[in-house]
Amino acid sequence: GAVVSQHPSRVICKSGTSVKIECRSLDFQATTMFWYRQFPKQSLMLMATSNEGSKATYEQGVEKDKFLINHASLTLSTLTVTSAHPEDSSFYICSASAGGPETQYFGPGTRLLVL
Amino acid sequence: GQNIDQPTEMTATEGAIVQINCTYQTSGFNGLFWYQQHAGEAPTFLSYNVLDGLEEKGRFSSFLSRSKGYSYLLLKELQMKDSASYLCAVRDSGDSSYKLIFGSGTRLLVRP
Repeated sequence: GAVVSQHPSRVICKSGTSVKIECRSLDFQATTMFWYRQFPKQSLMLMATSNEGSKATYEQGVEKDKFLINHASLTLSTLTVTSAHPEDSSFYICSASAGGPETQYFGPGTRLLVL
Repeated sequence: GQNIDQPTEMTATEGAIVQINCTYQTSGFNGLFWYQQHAGEAPTFLSYNVLDGLEEKGRFSSFLSRSKGYSYLLLKELQMKDSASYLCAVRDSGDSSYKLIFGSGTRLLVRP
């Protein structure tokens, strides 16, 4: 099956710093990548949809200036949490799709802890 | 609006059968997915229904009724490793991104 990787798997940072999370599709070209956030014991909340070579589409309530998304190639998307605060501590998961009506393939997730 | 409902928690016994229900009200519909998620891990794909009826895959089956906005996931011969959260997700047909809208998930505890 299709493989999606994320890096780092876990990160701890100080409040006010920026953190970059990478999402890579290893064996297919991902036309679209999705970024989710999941708080403990809650479900996945879609943050944004990213298409290669174009600006990301953010869901309502997600600050585009705080969560910068770049999808520069068909195999890589990055999420940068700028000026992170403790309330940004969460499990961030990306998924990738080759385009069209097929399942999304999820990365292993990145656990962010902001002190 | 978009609304997907699932029970919050369920408990079942090893070897038994459990049915997890999901009802949805979404502006568009282009398929319903079930994912399994163990604590601290990413979701893994279980099943996909776009037409009415039952899809069977080993110990797991999923059913869809589009007219009723209803689906269920059936797990047979439960094993301890099936203890996990089960997420129902509807794919929106409103735009070409095919984004998924997730329910809150059902935490299943399988007891010996």
